[in-house]
Amino acid sequence: AQSVTQLGSHVSVSEGALVLLRCNYSSSVPPYLFWYVQYPNQGLQLLLKYTTGATLVKGINGFEAEFKKSETSFHLTKPSAHMSDAAEYFCAVSPSPNDYKLSFGAGTTVTVRA
Amino acid sequence: EAGVTQFPSHSVIEKGQTVTLRCDPISGHDNLYWYRRVMGKEIKFLLHFVKESKQDESGMPNNRFLAERTGGTYSTLKVQPAELEDSGVYFCASSFTGNTIYFGEGSWLTVV
Repeated sequence: AQSVTQLGSHVSVSEGALVLLRCNYSSSVPPYLFWYVQYPNQGLQLLLKYTTGATLVKGINGFEAEFKKSETSFHLTKPSAHMSDAAEYFCAVSPSPNDYKLSFGAGTTVTVRA
Repeated sequence: EAGVTQFPSHSVIEKGQTVTLRCDPISGHDNLYWYRRVMGKEIKFLLHFVKESKQDESGMPNNRFLAERTGGTYSTLKVQPAELEDSGVYFCASSFTGNTIYFGEGSWLTVV
């Protein structure tokens, strides 16, 4: 069984500040981890994913995430927030890279203050 | 190239009525998924089609929900009869096997 916990349902950051969204997972098999973003009135868009190899994964729009097996974490960061980053972010886990039976976290809504 | 298209984008129906949601995947994608997010909860997997076959329907909540994918192209998700707890956003997604999954914008369902 797999599950994801996202710490903090809402995060507010100032424009230009660091964005840090926390994700911890539980998995009985090596996990495949994903971050999705949902902008207002849009569908879910893949930001980045970890399957195997390098544990620091770079995604679109300046986001990156680091897989830490010892901490069962996959936190998402962006060094400098932009107003356009205001959205809801979802961490997800699947049992294999080809299996999109994703288990999602509850989501974190990010607001960016000018 | 068109993305995953879902229709209707919003639907308001009364308890006991029937609603049919449609999803048109990206052309050529064999894999089609349905997910839903009921209010205040996580996005949950409902089922997975490979072409016209149901690969995994373990997430379907009960027999009021029926999904079909005739001919392996578009898919429909019917809720009959709808209950209040069915309100939420229904997402469709598609992919080539082993590749990135693409989500649609979702169909918002409100049951009153």
